[in-house]
Amino acid sequence: EPEVTQTPSHQVTQMGQEVILRCVPISNHLYFYWYRQILGQKVEFLVSFYNNEISEKSEIFDDQFSVERPDGSNFTLKIRSTKLEDSAMYFCASSDNSIYEQYFGPGTRLTVT
Amino acid sequence: GENVEQHPSTLSVQEGDSAVIKCTYSDSASNYFPWYKQELGKGPQLIIDIRSNVGEKKDQRIAVTLNKTAKHFSLHITETQPEDSAVYFCAARQGAQKLVFGQGTRLTINP
Repeated sequence: EPEVTQTPSHQVTQMGQEVILRCVPISNHLYFYWYRQILGQKVEFLVSFYNNEISEKSEIFDDQFSVERPDGSNFTLKIRSTKLEDSAMYFCASSDNSIYEQYFGPGTRLTVT
Repeated sequence: GENVEQHPSTLSVQEGDSAVIKCTYSDSASNYFPWYKQELGKGPQLIIDIRSNVGEKKDQRIAVTLNKTAKHFSLHITETQPEDSAVYFCAARQGAQKLVFGQGTRLTINP
């Protein structure tokens, strides 16, 4: 069964450094998303992406964040200058053109020290 | 914006018994309500969903009910098994794509 994959599974970085989190969505899907979950808190929407542009973003997704689909398979989330409060589990998700079901990857745990 | 509240935060049931998890939402325009199961070290797995034009949906041992008037929806798991132990999240779709999640329920099935 096709699934969303994410790399790395765990990333440790120092405050102020740039990180890129990578995702490979399900191959025939057209809509891509990033969510995050700070330890002990709700899963929060960050951004959705369709047709090579952002279609929706939350107030969390400020100028420090960017997304890109650099080729036909990868979808990336970049945090330009990480802060301590960016420490969280980051989930990528994708859906097909029905835009109902969203399928999540296993997540990347980001630790900012 | 949309706000989703989920109860209980933890639930412990005997194997074979039923489990019910409830969620309420605030935005009457929300039209899609998925449920996710998250096992340790894994991402959320979609297990069942319901759209606002339907009141109930069932898939083997799991079912979801939706009350649009009261703005609440529930997950029902019957004949629970040890592999049902996990954290369960409800969500509501606000706008075109954004999912707003509940806080999660840690379900433990006792043998």
